[in-house]
Amino acid sequence: NAGVTQTPKFQVLKTGQSMTLQCAQDMNHEYMSWYRQDPGMGLRLIHYSVGAGITDQGEVPNGYNVSRSTTEDFPLRLLSAAPSQTSVYFCASSYSSMRPYGYTFGSGTRLTVV
Amino acid sequence: GESVGLHLPTLSVQEGDNSIINCAYSNSASDYFIWYKQESGKGPQFIIDIRSNMDKRQGQRVTVLLNKTVKHLSLQIAATQPGDSAVYFCAENPAQGGSEKLVFGKGTKLTVNP
Repeated sequence: NAGVTQTPKFQVLKTGQSMTLQCAQDMNHEYMSWYRQDPGMGLRLIHYSVGAGITDQGEVPNGYNVSRSTTEDFPLRLLSAAPSQTSVYFCASSYSSMRPYGYTFGSGTRLTVV
Repeated sequence: GESVGLHLPTLSVQEGDNSIINCAYSNSASDYFIWYKQESGKGPQFIIDIRSNMDKRQGQRVTVLLNKTVKHLSLQIAATQPGDSAVYFCAENPAQGGSEKLVFGKGTKLTVNP
């Protein structure tokens, strides 16, 4: 049971480039989400999904797109990377969208935009 | 101890001592709480959770105490080991909120000296 798997672990982008951060879970979790973690600011919610085909914005959605075509996968797309998007990104999931029971995080993607 | 909105505090203990990490939560409507451990360069790892109908919950070497009157949560680690060195943070979820309403504290950095 792999849990939540994120790829890549590290990425360096040039300003204006696009990329997709991958997230997959094998726990049949209904709810999936993306956070960014910056020094001194804790975890901030970017986008979330309560099930396949349903996504919504979190606290800091600008510059990011998501889709959820399957229960297992929840990719995060950066359309035109900016230095302000340099951060560590975490994907998380829970079996219920109603309450965060069993809320599990991936190991993170460290992104640097130059 | 930590509080949502403050800078990251630190706690230094000797190996074998007991550690107490505090968290002051802000929403009196929160009824579910989680403690996470985050080691350097890794994703947050679930430690223990507690619902508001409980005052105390014990795990392996860890105990969480909840005081709803003063909106205070604490994590006690018994016989602290060097492997316990990490950032610990709490998360709160309001009773009427789904998983997207989970709010994370910024954390307390625990250093265990051998």
